[in-house]
Amino acid sequence: EDKVVQSPLSLVVHEGDTVTLNCSYEVTNFRSLLWYKQEKKAPTFLFMLTSSGIEKKSGRLSSILDKKELFSILNITATQTGDSAVYLCAVKGLYSGAGSYQLTFGKGTKLSVIP
Amino acid sequence: DTEVTQTPKHLVMGMTNKKSLKCEQHMGHRAMYWYKQKAKKPPELMFVYSYEKLSINESVPSRFSPECPNSSLLNLHLHALQPEDSALYLCASSQVDQGAYEQYFGPGTRLTVT
Repeated sequence: EDKVVQSPLSLVVHEGDTVTLNCSYEVTNFRSLLWYKQEKKAPTFLFMLTSSGIEKKSGRLSSILDKKELFSILNITATQTGDSAVYLCAVKGLYSGAGSYQLTFGKGTKLSVIP
Repeated sequence: DTEVTQTPKHLVMGMTNKKSLKCEQHMGHRAMYWYKQKAKKPPELMFVYSYEKLSINESVPSRFSPECPNSSLLNLHLHALQPEDSALYLCASSQVDQGAYEQYFGPGTRLTVT
């Protein structure tokens, strides 16, 4: 059974701090790892990672994948109160028997940034 | 247009009602998904359509009936639901998995079963 584990489950930091969120996974026929930010309703896509060692960056956010050790990290530098959200890690793997790919989500990390 | 739209935004229905949730995208994606999300939990996969054919049904009760009438539309028909079915129902779409493509989510329909 595919498994995605995120840590920590929750985190409280002050504005300006740097945070690192972790995601480890066990997935059959790995295709990609995705990070989402969820504030109120639907998740907002952040990054998709398919290759080891290549950092994806978007402003203050960056992420990297280690396919050998089966984990990814999401870094947020100079945090702002607007970064407060649940950050979801999801891994896409082959769904055996159906020829389709399934996205398995972790439980998420709840980040709270206080002024 | 990188948007997935869902209607209605909110729905309150009784246990004997029949209703439908609708999802639409115009990104040319040929894979579409229904997820169910309870409060403070990550989304749970319900159904996957690939080229308008149901390819994954994650053991969802038959009171939920998906339909993909064309490549842009995805419906979820609801009948005889239970109060525990109250949740946020999310639709997503992506390119069909010949490669590792990301899924785009709609804003969701907040369903309350009374």
